[in-house]
Amino acid sequence: AQSVTQPDIHITVSEGASLELRCNYSYGATPYLFWYVQSPGQGLQLLLKYFSGDTLVQGIKGFEAEFKRSQSSFNLRKPSVHWSDAAEYFCAVGRGGSYIPTFGRGTSLIVHP
Amino acid sequence: EAQVTQNPRYLITVTGKKLTVTCSQNMNHEYMSWYRQDPGLGLRQIYYSMNVEVTDKGDVPEGYKVSRKEKRNFPLILESPSPNQTSLYFCATRGKGTGVNYGYTFGSGTRLTVV
Repeated sequence: AQSVTQPDIHITVSEGASLELRCNYSYGATPYLFWYVQSPGQGLQLLLKYFSGDTLVQGIKGFEAEFKRSQSSFNLRKPSVHWSDAAEYFCAVGRGGSYIPTFGRGTSLIVHP
Repeated sequence: EAQVTQNPRYLITVTGKKLTVTCSQNMNHEYMSWYRQDPGLGLRQIYYSMNVEVTDKGDVPEGYKVSRKEKRNFPLILESPSPNQTSLYFCATRGKGTGVNYGYTFGSGTRLTVV
């Protein structure tokens, strides 16, 4: 069965610092991978997704993620964090044609001024 | 504008009193789904629907019902709510096909408290 692990429950960074949020997945075939962001009191917004091809994926708000098959990872990165990036981030894996994406438990990002 | 609309946004109710949370989408999407979000557990799928009159259980369906009589609406029904159903609920839709269209659009959420 597919599963997603986000090892960090909370991450604290200073504004302007770089960011990396970790995501590891378990799935037999090539997965579809996603990162979503949830701002306080809001629904989830898709940041980026990976299906195939270039393993470095660019998303919205200056985020990028790299798919590494050998490590079963899909880590999210941003070179310089802004205070408005403080939110909950969810990694998800879904099989093509599946209607059941599996979400990780989320990582809460705290940004210090 | 593409939208997934949930109502109500907030609801406090008492144990055993039937309630319905509505979800409506204007994207003509076939696939719709309900999730609940609980601290430390992420999002867990309750029910999903592949099309009109086609629904199936997700990971945590106990205590919930759904119906899909028309494409745009997918209500979540709690026949006899209990305190362990206190949670944040999200409706989501997905366009047909794979590739660039794959990815859910989420509603803004319904925070339900059962006392």
